Amino acid sequence: NAGVTQTPKFQVLKTGQSMTLQCAQDMNHNSMYWYRQDPGMGLRLIYYSASEGTTDKGEVPNGYNVSRLNKREFSLRLESAAPSQTSVYFCASRDSSGNTIYFGEGSWLTVV
Amino acid sequence: RKEVEQDPGPFNVPEGATVAFNCTYSNSASQSFFWYRQDCRKEPKLLMSVYSSGNEDGRFTAQLNRASQYISLLIRDSKLSDSATYLCVVNPTDSWGKFQFGAGTQVVVTP
Repeated sequence: NAGVTQTPKFQVLKTGQSMTLQCAQDMNHNSMYWYRQDPGMGLRLIYYSASEGTTDKGEVPNGYNVSRLNKREFSLRLESAAPSQTSVYFCASRDSSGNTIYFGEGSWLTVV
Repeated sequence: RKEVEQDPGPFNVPEGATVAFNCTYSNSASQSFFWYRQDCRKEPKLLMSVYSSGNEDGRFTAQLNRASQYISLLIRDSKLSDSATYLCVVNPTDSWGKFQFGAGTQVVVTP
């Protein structure tokens, strides 16, 4: 079972470049998430999508945009990357009736 | 102030010993609590939910203290494979679905 798949796994960007992190889940979950994880900060929610067609800002949305393309896919876009966006990004999904969040393997992003 | 706070550790534990650590949360209306485990450079995975009456899952025991707003995790008979970072997670009532994670407590089990 694939679960939550996110790409790319590693990326180096120059300041000002743009990129999109892709995420797809095959568990028919309604809710999807993008988190970033930084040392000492834990996982911080960037954006949340409760269902197809809806998105909501999390704790640290500035500098990011998201698209819930369909029930399976939830992408995260950095329009103009900054060094402060160097982080590990996790996509995740959850069934609305459940409490278990399933994470992708993470995307390591470095902005130089 | 963070919504969910944890002692970062590391807690160095001899194999076979017991280790316990807490997590505090600031939102008194929170209703759902969890412990996730994260191995180095891996994604977090659910370890166990935390119920009001406390619950066990094998060697792991979770407790909730609503009055003092903390949850705890106890690991008995520690194994080398228990070495990981343990993340405290809260699903806040006033923003349901936006799970909040603590920064994690690192546990290192030594032979």
